[in-house]
Amino acid sequence: QVQLQESGPGLVKPSQTLSLTCSVSGGSISSGDYYWSWIRQPPGKGLEWIGYIYNSGNSYYNPSLKSRLTISIDTSKNQFSLKLSSVTAADTAVYYCARGVCSSNACSIPEFDSWGQGTLVTVSS
Amino acid sequence: QSVLTQPPSVSGAPGQRVTISCTGSSSNIGADYDVHWYQQLPGTAPKLLIYGNNNRPSGVPDRFSGSKSGTSASLAITGLQAEDEADYYCQSYDSSLSGSVFGGGTKLTVL
Repeated sequence: QVQLQESGPGLVKPSQTLSLTCSVSGGSISSGDYYWSWIRQPPGKGLEWIGYIYNSGNSYYNPSLKSRLTISIDTSKNQFSLKLSSVTAADTAVYYCARGVCSSNACSIPEFDSWGQGTLVTVSS
Repeated sequence: QSVLTQPPSVSGAPGQRVTISCTGSSSNIGADYDVHWYQQLPGTAPKLLIYGNNNRPSGVPDRFSGSKSGTSASLAITGLQAEDEADYYCQSYDSSLSGSVFGGGTKLTVL
């Protein structure tokens, strides 16, 4: 059973870069066809897909965040990371890491079958 | 404002059946992209409930079912239980936005 755990600062100043890491246990991050993903949820609001990185290193970003976003993978540490630059108060949210997988034969969009517990990041001076 | 529209809230009494709709357009659900559903209990991470429109992961009760038709999808819950009180989200892909999208979420209240 794979487990994911987010880590990183809970408070980031406006205009700075938000950096989070997701540690994966119970399986190798480089095996299988998985989309290692980031999703966020502003307080009291709904879910927003941020982006994901495939095992090959190819990454896919939410176009609304793409200019500020980098998702990378470190197979030696079994981790993947998120960097979001030039943050504002609008980036305050619970950030989740998740594993995306295509389970059905004609999969058109991966589903997120395993999630971390989430970490609250507040952008404030 | 999400491109996938869900009712903000639904409610039902224990034992009843409720449905939650997820309405999209020709650039997402109507383009035959899969729809997935998640359940988020208060204070917890979302949990995959339905994948590929109508498939249940192992461990999800058969009281939960999904369907898709045209530009919409639905989640049905039968034999409503108090523990089903949660927020529910649909997810698909939108070709205009070039990315995965979630519905705005629906809060289910068990009366």
